[in-house]
Amino acid sequence: AQSVTQPDIHITVSEGASLELRCNYSYGATPYLFWYVQSPGQGLQLLLKYFSGDTLVQGIKGFEAEFKRSQSSFNLRKPSVHWSDAAEYFCAVGAAGGYNKLIFGAGTRLAVHP
Amino acid sequence: NAGVTQTPKFQVLKTGQSMTLQCAQDMNHEYMSWYRQDPGMGLRLIHYSVGAGITDQGEVPNGYNVSRSTTEDFPLRLLSAAPSQTSVYFCASSSQVEQYFGPGTRLTVT
Repeated sequence: AQSVTQPDIHITVSEGASLELRCNYSYGATPYLFWYVQSPGQGLQLLLKYFSGDTLVQGIKGFEAEFKRSQSSFNLRKPSVHWSDAAEYFCAVGAAGGYNKLIFGAGTRLAVHP
Repeated sequence: NAGVTQTPKFQVLKTGQSMTLQCAQDMNHEYMSWYRQDPGMGLRLIHYSVGAGITDQGEVPNGYNVSRSTTEDFPLRLLSAAPSQTSVYFCASSSQVEQYFGPGTRLTVT
């Protein structure tokens, strides 16, 4: 069965520091992969997605993610974190290779220290 | 262009009561879906629809009904609410490349 694992429940970084959020997926073929961000009390906003092609994907708000098939990973990165990046981040994979039925990880809550 | 709208934002029900969570989108998307979000579990798919008149079950469909009579609307019905249905519910509609999520409905069942 398809699944998504986000190993880190909580991460705390200092403002200006670099960030990497981990995501591992389980799917036999090339998956559709997504990262969403959720601010407190808000809905989900798409940061970036990978369908095919270049394995380094650029997203909004200065985020990027790299698809590594050999490691079944799709880690999210940002070179310099801003206080406004504090939120919960969700990795998701499209079920059955599609992009509509999403399977989400449990999320990583990011705290940013000034 | 309002995107995906959900009503109500908050709701408290007693066990056994019924209610309908409303969802509407104005992007003419064929695909719509309902998720529930619980702490430590991410979002889980309840039901989805690939077009008017067509619905199917997701990962956690028990206790919920849906129908899709128009492209714009996709209501979620709880026929007999249970405390286990306390959650935040998100509706989404999908283009070819992205799902757009509504702001959510926070439901508490006492």
